[in-house]
Amino acid sequence: QLQLQESGPGLVKPSETLSLTCTVSGGSISSSSYYWGWIRQPPGKGLEWIGSIYYSGSTYYNPSLKSRVTISVDTSKNQFSLKLSSVTAADTAVYYCAGRNGPDPFDYWGQGTLVTVSS
Amino acid sequence: EIVLTQSPGTLSLSPGERATLSCRASQSVSSSYLAWYQQKPGQAPRLLIYGASSRATGIPDRFSGSGSGTDFTLTISRLEPEDFAVYYCQQYGSSPETFGQGTKVEIK
Repeated sequence: QLQLQESGPGLVKPSETLSLTCTVSGGSISSSSYYWGWIRQPPGKGLEWIGSIYYSGSTYYNPSLKSRVTISVDTSKNQFSLKLSSVTAADTAVYYCAGRNGPDPFDYWGQGTLVTVSS
Repeated sequence: EIVLTQSPGTLSLSPGERATLSCRASQSVSSSYLAWYQQKPGQAPRLLIYGASSRATGIPDRFSGSGSGTDFTLTISRLEPEDFAVYYCQQYGSSPETFGQGTKVEIK
């Protein structure tokens, strides 16, 4: 049973870069059938897909965030990461990391981590 | 981008009643790549339905999904106390993946 856990700063200043890491346990991030992704949820609002990555490094980003987002994978640590640059208050949200088996939707989720953008 | 519109915004029902939630897409969803999630306060979303009508592992059979093309439905045959939550639909057939705005099922 895969388990995912987000980690990173809970407070980021405006214009800086938000950096989060997701640690995967209970399985290998290099599994050829799995994709990994980030989804966020502003307080009291709905869900927004940020992007996904395959263990090989192939990435897929939401066009609305593409210019500011980088998702990468570190197979040696069984982790994948999110960087979101030039953040504003609108980027304040709970950030979830998640895993999916091939074409299926996300079936494994981290507990989520709240990131607040404020000076 | 495929826009998903869920209705109603809030559904007020009693335990034991039937819940019918709708998700309408702005264009056809590829290969019925439509999922439903349940989210409770302070928790991550939980996958209920994928492929429009297939139940995820461990999901009770009171949850069922149907539909194709642009119109999809999640039905909860008899509401249990633990079913009161927010439900989201998601299309994952075309990029960017998108979610509906959610339907809250609350206790009447």
